[in-house]
Amino acid sequence: KAGVTQTPRYLIKTRGQQVTLSCSPISGHRSVSWYQQTPGQGLQFLFEYFSETQRNKGNFPGRFSGRQFSNSRSEMNVSTLELGDSALYLCASKSGGLSGNTIYFGEGSWLTVV
Amino acid sequence: DQQVKQNSPSLSVQEGRISILNCDYTNSMFDYFLWYKKYPAEGPTFLISISSIKDKNEDGRFTVFLNKSAKHLSLHIVPSQPGDSAVYFCAASPRGGNKLTFGTGTQLKVEL
Repeated sequence: KAGVTQTPRYLIKTRGQQVTLSCSPISGHRSVSWYQQTPGQGLQFLFEYFSETQRNKGNFPGRFSGRQFSNSRSEMNVSTLELGDSALYLCASKSGGLSGNTIYFGEGSWLTVV
Repeated sequence: DQQVKQNSPSLSVQEGRISILNCDYTNSMFDYFLWYKKYPAEGPTFLISISSIKDKNEDGRFTVFLNKSAKHLSLHIVPSQPGDSAVYFCAASPRGGNKLTFGTGTQLKVEL
């Protein structure tokens, strides 16, 4: 079955702009999480959505937001982009149980802010 | 506060030998542990996981060992192959939650 799909794969934005990234989880998976990877901070958790509700949130400013639709697809948005937001943004999906199940990642969206 | 640590940033082994990657954690609420393999600018690929109720899990060439009293886990790859060369991340999630906390990664290089 198809894996986690993220679009776009690569994008370049200017400081101050906003960006929306999209994620389609594995079919049947209801939990979607987002992570940011940067060289300095490594892989960091942004937030998790389950059944259209944010279930957990990492330590990121309010400029980072997300949502989940009824078909489990998710989007994340970053407003007022800063140079430090340049990163690989990863979406992950899981079948939905609270623990003990594998979390699968997409290929990521590589954002460059100039 | 680094709750999951991979103290070896890099590891080099010869093809056919064993690779051992280590990971330590500090949060006793973690009860599910995973290992991922990652190439630059790509998403992590799941390798193997272990629940805190077990001390060993094996899948083909990959074995994960968990020592809860020492808060330590390790990934053994036997035999190592050149295609195993990548960055390996350990990750942990707490009881009742899906948030993964990642280590900083270990770059494995398998040489011919």
